[in-house]
Amino acid sequence: GENVEQHPSTLSVQEGDSAVIKCTYSDSASNYFPWYKQELGKRPQLIIDIRSNVGEKKDQRIAVTLNKTAKHFSLHITETQPEDSAVYFCAASASGGGADGLTFGKGTHLIIQP
Amino acid sequence: GAVVSQHPSRVICKSGTSVKIECRSLDFQATTMFWYRQFPKQSLMLMATSNEGSKATYEQGVEKDKFLINHASLTLSTLTVTSAHPEDSSFYICSAPRSGGPGELFFGEGSRLTVL
Repeated sequence: GENVEQHPSTLSVQEGDSAVIKCTYSDSASNYFPWYKQELGKRPQLIIDIRSNVGEKKDQRIAVTLNKTAKHFSLHITETQPEDSAVYFCAASASGGGADGLTFGKGTHLIIQP
Repeated sequence: GAVVSQHPSRVICKSGTSVKIECRSLDFQATTMFWYRQFPKQSLMLMATSNEGSKATYEQGVEKDKFLINHASLTLSTLTVTSAHPEDSSFYICSAPRSGGPGELFFGEGSRLTVL
């Protein structure tokens, strides 16, 4: 089955700086890669996703890159703000995230220092 | 976006009792729902896949008789933790994909179970 590795487990950056979280996956059949943000005690919220036919996707301060050959994808947050502090999970799916669900990384606790 | 509602959000019970958690898709039909368990500061671990009208598919290591899953309708799946013990205390969360959608999963609010 799929195995998703995520690094780092904790990331502390100064407000206004950029943050990068990296994930690797093992199943070359995976074709859907979402990123979720989870605040303490709350449900995960999708912040951005990318499919295997695209190498990069951007939404305002958030971007995701995908390298299918190397089987890794990354989340980039620019101009970080205090409200970006949360746990971020990457995930991968070989069925587009539908019938077979997702395999999640272990999460990255992002801390934005004022 | 689509809405998935989970109830109760918090439950405290005595050891040996059973607890039922409900997961509802409010504005779409979900033939499949997923149940996860999340320990503090850890990732979401898939427990089982709930299939409407058929048996749930459990992940390796998850006890079927311990965690009973029923998906009786296209909008409701339930997880029953039977004979709960303190080690079952955790955050349980469900999710559902919207059929015909782009693949995004919609999560419930989660249920924090504390077994005394």
